[in-house]
Amino acid sequence: QVQLQQWGAGLLKPSETLSLTCVVNSGSFSGYYWTWIRQPPGKGLEWIGEINHSGSTNYNPSLKSRVTISVDTSKTQFSLRLSSVTAADTAVYYCVRGYDTSGWSYWGQGTLVTVSS
Amino acid sequence: QSVLTQPPSASGTPGQRVTISCSGSSSNIGSNYVYWYQQLPGTAPKLLIYRNSQRPSGVPDRFSGSKSGTSASLAISGLRSEDEADYFCAAWDDSLSAYVFGTGTKVTVL
Repeated sequence: QVQLQQWGAGLLKPSETLSLTCVVNSGSFSGYYWTWIRQPPGKGLEWIGEINHSGSTNYNPSLKSRVTISVDTSKTQFSLRLSSVTAADTAVYYCVRGYDTSGWSYWGQGTLVTVSS
Repeated sequence: QSVLTQPPSASGTPGQRVTISCSGSSSNIGSNYVYWYQQLPGTAPKLLIYRNSQRPSGVPDRFSGSKSGTSASLAISGLRSEDEADYFCAAWDDSLSAYVFGTGTKVTVL
């Protein structure tokens, strides 16, 4: 059973850097797209970006200047960093596993990140 | 940043059939696969449909997806109380070079 467990700081001040990590507890790490998606409270979903096991990334152009997604295959972990956060970055952040064109099948539990002074 | 348009709400009585539309453009739905996700209150989204009409194992065949041109639809037949949730469509957008989502539809079982 594939499980994604995520953690990171839940409260940030404006201009700080958001940092979240997701560990994959079972299953292969290679061959998949490891993705971050966020959802502001009461709103819709936004794709942040993805990385594969070899480190190739693809970011949402609207966030690209502030986003870094990295992977540590030895620990079966991948991470998200979002710099210079503002209140508009307040959201539940999900780590997700994607495969080819088969959609996002496995999701982490979500982390609410609040940006407030 | 929702690029795909969905009705904000849909409803039906138990046993009825409900259909949710997802309208896009030639750069997203018109040229790429559509995915559908169900989000129960307070939980992470769950994949319901991939590649326009394929169901992952474990998803009841009451859920079906279709696509025509720049629009897609999700149908729920034999509506049940546990189907009360938010539903989102998604697709890759060639112009934006990003995955885009629908605005979301809240399904209520009356």
